Amino acid sequence: NAGVTQTPKFQVLKTGQSMTLQCAQDMNHEYMSWYRQDPGMGLRLIHYSVGAGITDQGEVPNGYNVSRSTTEDFPLRLLSAAPSQTSVYFCASSYKFGASYEQYFGPGTRLTVT
Amino acid sequence: DAKTTQPPSMDCAEGRAANLPCNHSTISGNEYVYWYRQIHSQGPQYIIHGLKNNETNEMASLIITEDRKSSTLILPHATLRDTAVYYCIVRVGGTSYGKLTFGQGTILTVHP
Repeated sequence: NAGVTQTPKFQVLKTGQSMTLQCAQDMNHEYMSWYRQDPGMGLRLIHYSVGAGITDQGEVPNGYNVSRSTTEDFPLRLLSAAPSQTSVYFCASSYKFGASYEQYFGPGTRLTVT
Repeated sequence: DAKTTQPPSMDCAEGRAANLPCNHSTISGNEYVYWYRQIHSQGPQYIIHGLKNNETNEMASLIITEDRKSSTLILPHATLRDTAVYYCIVRVGGTSYGKLTFGQGTILTVHP
């Protein structure tokens, strides 16, 4: 299994540009989520999904959109990039049912908005 | 979810046990203690979790006090690759999915 994969690894955007951060997992996990991590801070939840077609907001959803059309993919869209969105973005996935207790995280996407 | 308090940094000699404390004095009866770690520039990695009994797996041991107000993560034989930020997280339910609230964590540095 490849686990959780994220693309791109690095991205530089200008203010106002839009882009999509990709996240995919091959473990058939129902639950997927997006976090952002700013320097010296913990991770903050942006959006999450408990299955295909179901998404909900986390604690910092403004400026981001998500959709979940398949179990495997959970892209994060930046509608109009702002310097405040400069951060490292992590995608995570896990089972919703069963005895597995861990969330699996991807390697992250490092985004800089100028 | 209950708030946790961890020391900002700790040092450990390679080969020795690393004992990382976590205070969660406001924990409620249905909240579990989870530990994750984040090695530099990588995504967080699950280590272990528990409710009230001590737990052990291939990575670490988790000791939870009888009153559940604090816990200790033990890495029995720390290696240089264990240098990372360690996060203690308290949340409702013993499930894998759902929001994980990451605080500042403890920066563990393992020295040769």
